[in-house]
Amino acid sequence: AQSVAQPEDQVNVAEGNPLTVKCTYSVSGNPYLFWYVQYPNRGLQFLLKYITGDNLVKGSYGFEAEFNKSQTSFHLKKPSALVSDSALYFCAVRVHDSGAGSYQLTFGKGTKLSVIP
Amino acid sequence: GAVVSQHPSRVICKSGTSVKIECRSLDFQATTMFWYRQFPKQSLMLMATSNEGSKATYEQGVEKDKFLINHASLTLSTLTVTSAHPEDSSFYICSVAPRDRGLEQYFGPGTRLTVT
Repeated sequence: AQSVAQPEDQVNVAEGNPLTVKCTYSVSGNPYLFWYVQYPNRGLQFLLKYITGDNLVKGSYGFEAEFNKSQTSFHLKKPSALVSDSALYFCAVRVHDSGAGSYQLTFGKGTKLSVIP
Repeated sequence: GAVVSQHPSRVICKSGTSVKIECRSLDFQATTMFWYRQFPKQSLMLMATSNEGSKATYEQGVEKDKFLINHASLTLSTLTVTSAHPEDSSFYICSVAPRDRGLEQYFGPGTRLTVT
């Protein structure tokens, strides 16, 4: 079974400072990894994904994430946080599996990011 | 990217009534759609996988007769909450896995259901 852990319920960072939102995963095969952002009472918006290739993935709104296979991590980062980045962030994993149910994503519990002006 | 719409965005209904939520894929044909529910301050929990032209696949613990899913076309899936109860109050989100875009899921804006 696959699982995703986001160890921090909340992350607070000052505007302009770098931010990191942590994510670790557990899968039996090769993972596809995703980050999504959710604003209040809204659906999820895609930020970035790791499929294969470079371990550093760049996504929307200046976010990036680094895939670390040995540590089974996929932390989300941004060099300089904006107040508008304040939202709920979800990490998700999908196994590279062509069988039934291969589209299923397993989500972490989410991390609330608050950027303080 | 794909645009996914949900209707209604908010609904309030009385206990015992049924509510239908629509999920439409506006840019892609979607053989597969997913239905999630999200409780306050919690993650998304997959309820079922909706497959066009066939029966939905429900996750363990999800009542098939209570949460009816119909995926009648490549652009529309519906979730009907039958005989709703206050504990069914939640945020329901659908996602689309477009054909030939198997790695991507695109999410709808969600439907807030409140059962009084």
